[in-house]
Amino acid sequence: GEDVEQSLFLSVREGDSSVINCTYTDSSSTYLYWYKQEPGAGLQLLTYIFSNMDMKQDQRLTVLLNKKDKHLSLRIADTQTGDSAIYFCAESIWRDDKIIFGKGTRLHILP
Amino acid sequence: DTAVSQTPKYLVTQMGNDKSIKCEQNLGHDTMYWYKQDSKKFLKIMFSYNNKELIINETVPNRFSPKSPDKAHLNLHINSLELGDSAVYFCASSQETGSITDTQYFGPGTRLTVL
Repeated sequence: GEDVEQSLFLSVREGDSSVINCTYTDSSSTYLYWYKQEPGAGLQLLTYIFSNMDMKQDQRLTVLLNKKDKHLSLRIADTQTGDSAIYFCAESIWRDDKIIFGKGTRLHILP
Repeated sequence: DTAVSQTPKYLVTQMGNDKSIKCEQNLGHDTMYWYKQDSKKFLKIMFSYNNKELIINETVPNRFSPKSPDKAHLNLHINSLELGDSAVYFCASSQETGSITDTQYFGPGTRLTVL
């Protein structure tokens, strides 16, 4: 089956690094994504990684992909209050138009 | 029971035509969205709408308009279709209470092909 799972909540102190984890089940995924959702807004694409890559870095964001374990993580360095949001992990399946989303991780920033 | 449904699943039409894609959610959510999926399968937000406010992504051409006959429906109407409108369009819904936003639930997508 196709499933994407992530923990629902994460609390991090301002200035620390946040690591949001995600596991997926379909090994035929092509792209894996991280989306951010802030209150009142739709999903905004944060970053993505192609399934044949291990790592991608983009400023404060680092994506790690362990294809063997079907594990994807998003690390946010120097977490700021503006990073407070819901982060969705998602995978696209090459054989059809489907995108499978996790339920989202609510990142809460502690002062 | 399907939570978020879209019709049709496939839509093939000629350039210049006007078409609509329907979306219905039976989750009792008060916010609905339309996304366009691009060639790398990114989802780009087009509209978010609840019974209070329509938020439009400023990059969306005004040929696209959301129409909501009631809280459970948000249809996407497209005028004067162009070749570049060919894409997969996803509808979604979520429940928002103040500043708390819940998970988005997605429809299966509608593949629009403009000839």
